[in-house]
Amino acid sequence: DAMVIQNPRYQVTQFGKPVTLSCSQTLNHNVMYWYQQKSSQAPKLLFHYYDKDFNNEADTPDNFQSRRPNTSFCFLDIRSPGLGDAAMYLCATSRDRGTTYNEQFFGPGTRLTVL
Amino acid sequence: AQSVTQPDIHITVSEGASLELRCNYSYGATPYLFWYVQSPGQGLQLLLKYFSGDTLVQGIKGFEAEFKRSQSSFNLRKPSVHWSDAAEYFCAVGEYAGNMLTFGGGTRLMVKP
Repeated sequence: DAMVIQNPRYQVTQFGKPVTLSCSQTLNHNVMYWYQQKSSQAPKLLFHYYDKDFNNEADTPDNFQSRRPNTSFCFLDIRSPGLGDAAMYLCATSRDRGTTYNEQFFGPGTRLTVL
Repeated sequence: AQSVTQPDIHITVSEGASLELRCNYSYGATPYLFWYVQSPGQGLQLLLKYFSGDTLVQGIKGFEAEFKRSQSSFNLRKPSVHWSDAAEYFCAVGEYAGNMLTFGGGTRLMVKP
């Protein structure tokens, strides 16, 4: 089945230790998104890639970076995690973007714990 | 800018009772509307969506939602709740500009035996 896969499902890191979360997709979609969801809150968009074009949300901290080496993979890098970065990180994809809304398909998420 | 309001932060219902979760949106054009469910520690699962056509939409797990343009609402309903329905429910609106998805604040559903 075509899907969005996130690895690992659970990640524990130490305060200030860089961490990378992974997302892959078999849907061959052009757009990939990263959301941060803190406890009891709605998901918040961090950034997205339209093909190789990176689009950062205005209020996304510089501590968060992303890479998309090819169509299938997208990585979320947290350079120096703080306690406030503990959250669920959701990856999503959409076929395209343009003159109509393209549905986003979500992965299962990675829960990040910062010690 | 679009926005989504879920007026009820918490709802508790008895197992077997009917359920309605409210969602109001603000969006200038025809909205693309979604309901997602999230169990504790899990990702988002799409329950149903409305893009156009019939305003009563059927989803998975026995859920349905009705789009009412005049009320800017997209309420989620289920005739008989099961204990396994206890979860967080998010309403969302999608817009074509930038393909953004805006979520409501969520409603946490608890089910009493």
